[in-house]
Amino acid sequence: AQTVTQSQPEMSVQEAETVTLSCTYDTSENNYYLFWYKQPPSRQMILVIRQEAYKQQNATENRFSVNFQKAAKSFSLKISDSQLGDTAMYFCALIQGAQKLVFGQGTRLTINP
Amino acid sequence: ETGVTQTPRHLVMGMTNKKSLKCEQHLGHNAMYWYKQSAKKPLELMFVYNFKEQTENNSVPSRFSPECPNSSHLFLHLHTLQPEDSALYLCASSQVIGLGSGYEQYFGPGTRLTVT
Repeated sequence: AQTVTQSQPEMSVQEAETVTLSCTYDTSENNYYLFWYKQPPSRQMILVIRQEAYKQQNATENRFSVNFQKAAKSFSLKISDSQLGDTAMYFCALIQGAQKLVFGQGTRLTINP
Repeated sequence: ETGVTQTPRHLVMGMTNKKSLKCEQHLGHNAMYWYKQSAKKPLELMFVYNFKEQTENNSVPSRFSPECPNSSHLFLHLHTLQPEDSALYLCASSQVIGLGSGYEQYFGPGTRLTVT
């Protein structure tokens, strides 16, 4: 069975700082995708970044980047120059073939002014 | 309208009521999903529809009845719910690439359901 674990229930940083959210996962498959989703207080779940497991290069999307360690089954999200609008729940998720997205428990991130 | 929309945004219903949640996707996708998000629990996949056909029912009680009349619309019919069914219900869509394979899912804003 696939599992996704986020070990940090809450994090808090000052505006403009860099923050890293952790995620580990377990799967027996070789081909899969990993995602980070953001859910602000408005509740809309927004895709932040995705990583294909067969790509060794870490995905980046503006201030967001990942550190994908396939052997360690680790997929952390780094947010650089954090902004107040980054305050949200962040979910790590795994999907393989069957369209079943498996989510972690989420990390509540607060950016303080 | 753009993306994935859901109505209503909030719903309060008694345990004997019958209500329906509606989802519409404007992305041209061919797969749609229902998820349940409860407090302090990971999102749970409830149903998957590919090309209007249900391909996944994740052991959901029969008091939840999905309907997908076309690839753009998805409904969740509710009847005789329990208080523990109170949650945020999220709809999502994606474009299925190839047989059985998917890609990122795009979510609607959700319906906050309270069962009294």
